[in-house]
Order: sequence, then structure tokens, then C-alpha cells
Amino acid sequence: GDSVTQMEGPVTLSEEAFLTINCTYTATGYPSLFWYVQYPGEGLQLLLKATKADDKGSNKGFEATYRKETTSFHLEKGSVQVSDSAVYFCALSPGAGGTSYGKLTFGQGTILTVHP
Amino acid sequence: KAGVTQTPRYLIKTRGQQVTLSCSPISGHRSVSWYQQTPGQGLQFLFEYFSETQRNKGNFPGRFSGRQFSNSRSEMNVSTLELGDSALYLCASSLLGGNTGELFFGEGSRLTVL
Repeated sequence: GDSVTQMEGPVTLSEEAFLTINCTYTATGYPSLFWYVQYPGEGLQLLLKATKADDKGSNKGFEATYRKETTSFHLEKGSVQVSDSAVYFCALSPGAGGTSYGKLTFGQGTILTVHP
Repeated sequence: KAGVTQTPRYLIKTRGQQVTLSCSPISGHRSVSWYQQTPGQGLQFLFEYFSETQRNKGNFPGRFSGRQFSNSRSEMNVSTLELGDSALYLCASSLLGGNTGELFFGEGSRLTVL
């Protein structure tokens, strides 16, 4: 079945440092890929997404590129802020034409803490 | 536009009891999905409803059930609670529940089973 693997966490960085959170996936066909973020005490919010190979999703300074050849969707940000402290989840869905209604397969989450 | 609303936000139950959680989706969204979030298992899909019909179901025992009303509001029920059911239960809504669109999550209902 489908699966998503994220890098082991937690990740602790100083403000303005470069961030990479690795994500690899296993899926058949052409899945859609997502990064969700969960701030303390809140639900998940979509951060960015990509629906086909070589697409780059971007939002709030975060970027991720859908690499089918390496089955990866790594999250990057050039300069993190204290307000970026949260849990980040990589996720996939089967993509157009699939029948897995409402179901995302999530990675285990990576806790990011940014210190001033 | 109001987001996804879940009630109650926190609740404490004892083993053997049952619990009902409620979810009001974003206006116009017809698909509602439920997820269980625990530190050990992460985020796991429970089920999805669209137009009052369950279209998809995860790998959970029959003690976990749900339903959707004609106004798209949804409830999930857990009967005969076990300690392992302690979790954050998240509801998510989307327009059609398809495979390429965004899910909008509520803040969750935190269930503690004693």
C-alpha cells in the first residue's frame, strides 16, 4: 500500500537558518503530494502541494519539488523564523482518477523548533 | 467564511463508555473525513462521508462508526471505549473529497479515556 516516510525528528534550528525536511513516498500511479503544518493546539493546515512530477509547490517561503525519479518531496525554507515552529507532515493522495475518497496517507511528522 | 468546527474540544470518558463527536464542515463542502491522531500511530484515516453515504473506510474496528446528515454535518461514535482510544480526533472537509484537492481540518476533539 501507499506509505510516506519523513526524516527523523525533532529538528532544532536558530532563526534565519536553512531548513530541509526530507520526505519520500511509496505509491502506485501518479499521487498528489502535500505538506501540512500543525501549530500547537490547532488542526492541520495545508502548506503547499504538487500534483504532478517536477511541479514545485511554494507558500510562505517554503518550497518542495515533486521528484518522481527519487520518489521524494523534500520541504525547504531558506531562512526560518521562530513563528515557523510547528509539526510538519508530508502526505499523499492517489491523485486524479483514484477512488480513495477523503484519505490522505501521512508521514509520522517532524517537530521543528526555531530559537531566536 | 467559517472554518471546520468540531465539538466538544476536550472530553474525558471511562473505559466501556461511548462517545459522540460532532463536526460542522465549511459551508458548501459536502465531503467530511475523520482522522485519529496519536503519538504512537500518527494520523490514521477513519472514514469519509459524502452526501450522507460512507464512501471510504480505514482499518478500524466496528466500534468506530460515523454518519452524515443532509446538511453535511457529521458525527462519529466510538462505543465500548478502550484506553487506546485516547487521541485527538480530527475532522476535515472538502468540496468533493477527491484525490487532488485540499482537506480543511478542524482543531480536533481531544478524547481521554481513563
